[in-house]
Amino acid sequence: ILNVEQSPQSLHVQEGDSTNFTCSFPSSNFYALHWYRWETAKSPEALFVMTLNGDEKKKGRISATLNTKEGYSYLYIKGSQPEDSATYLCAQASGTYKYIFGTGTRLKVLA
Amino acid sequence: GAVVSQHPSWVICKSGTSVKIECRSLDFQATTMFWYRQFPKQSLMLMATSNEGSKATYEQGVEKDKFLINHASLTLSTLTVTSAHPEDSSFYICSVLGAEEKLFFGSGTQLSVL
Repeated sequence: ILNVEQSPQSLHVQEGDSTNFTCSFPSSNFYALHWYRWETAKSPEALFVMTLNGDEKKKGRISATLNTKEGYSYLYIKGSQPEDSATYLCAQASGTYKYIFGTGTRLKVLA
Repeated sequence: GAVVSQHPSWVICKSGTSVKIECRSLDFQATTMFWYRQFPKQSLMLMATSNEGSKATYEQGVEKDKFLINHASLTLSTLTVTSAHPEDSSFYICSVLGAEEKLFFGSGTQLSVL
């Protein structure tokens, strides 16, 4: 993998459903993996920064895992709510100032 | 975290004119700011790293004479698109590197060049 890739590109889920997305990244020159939530007409908001293989982080109903050896991270949302509707971006940092972003996963939670 | 304000939110200009975009760090002294560009259905692409009091560092393929960056203070960086052309129409967004190495973003500027 040469680029940061996210899947799916978009998805719709019903309120209350749990869902997850994938971020795949080059496993070489790995420094950190970031997740951001980007609501329409707002600024992207940092969710997690993960650095160690096996890292798991949690913020409310949202959690993320990291596998640096195989080059992927999962973002999980438990019990999705309409306010979770946003684009979720991941970015690989190969150094302090070098971030490569994926194209994002657009989530729509239907009430 | 840092609060970042970016203006304007959108701008329409005629081909050949210059457009200035401001990025302010409201509660954080930012020695480094980043400028990104996003074309439709593509990812955020780093254009340049803006360093307070010194020259910006541009990514490969980004014309420094076309995209002028000024970072004269710890709270303000500006991006000026000079002699804008329709192919410069894009979404431009700035960010600040804050605590825990998280990026804090402005809300972005949609530029349309007619």
